[in-house]
Amino acid sequence: DSGVTQTPKHLITATGQRVTLRCSPRSGDLSVYWYQQSLDQGLQFLIQYYNGEERAKGNILERFSAQQFPDLHSELNLSSLELGDSALYFCASSSGGTGGIDTQYFGPGTRLTVL
Amino acid sequence: EDKVVQSPLSLVVHEGDTVTLNCSYEVTNFRSLLWYKQEKKAPTFLFMLTSSGIEKKSGRLSSILDKKELFSILNITATQTGDSAVYLCALNAGNMLTFGGGTRLMVKP
Repeated sequence: DSGVTQTPKHLITATGQRVTLRCSPRSGDLSVYWYQQSLDQGLQFLIQYYNGEERAKGNILERFSAQQFPDLHSELNLSSLELGDSALYFCASSSGGTGGIDTQYFGPGTRLTVL
Repeated sequence: EDKVVQSPLSLVVHEGDTVTLNCSYEVTNFRSLLWYKQEKKAPTFLFMLTSSGIEKKSGRLSSILDKKELFSILNITATQTGDSAVYLCALNAGNMLTFGGGTRLMVKP
């Protein structure tokens, strides 16, 4: 158990819908990262928040957005869902934000299925 | 675009065998290289390497980084069925991890 929690574990929804995935980082960690893992793309970085502020963006679609709240939990919002958005979404956390030498610990993931 | 390539794609061995997993990369400007083990769901952290030539060890697992030749290896000795998993390497350039495609290891009894 990494100490990172994610809810829900599974989510099944229809195309065009909007969902919210939630992540609580390990105690004391200030950075939250979101990753998407699909069969054909592997693990891809989406976005990072550090202490409430966006720090880095990866290959995140405009239909996706995220935020980090004052209590440091984070939410990833996915809208206008398409079949291709079906994937495992992981949240990771680390103590620092930009040094590149922080270990990122991953949560159990949310499996999203879009029908 | 940063590129991380892992080989082999998959590997089947028997318990007790020793395996070497490879991770090569084209990025030169990174701060650390990490290895993760992914079984059913979340990647679990194994090693972080920052310096070339210094081996990290944890039980039967060890890893080393060669910044000159741009690769890292993960060794597992005396493999057990519980080592069956996908092993991922990733580069950390500061804010995000860039992952390789992984090596799927199956250890047969």
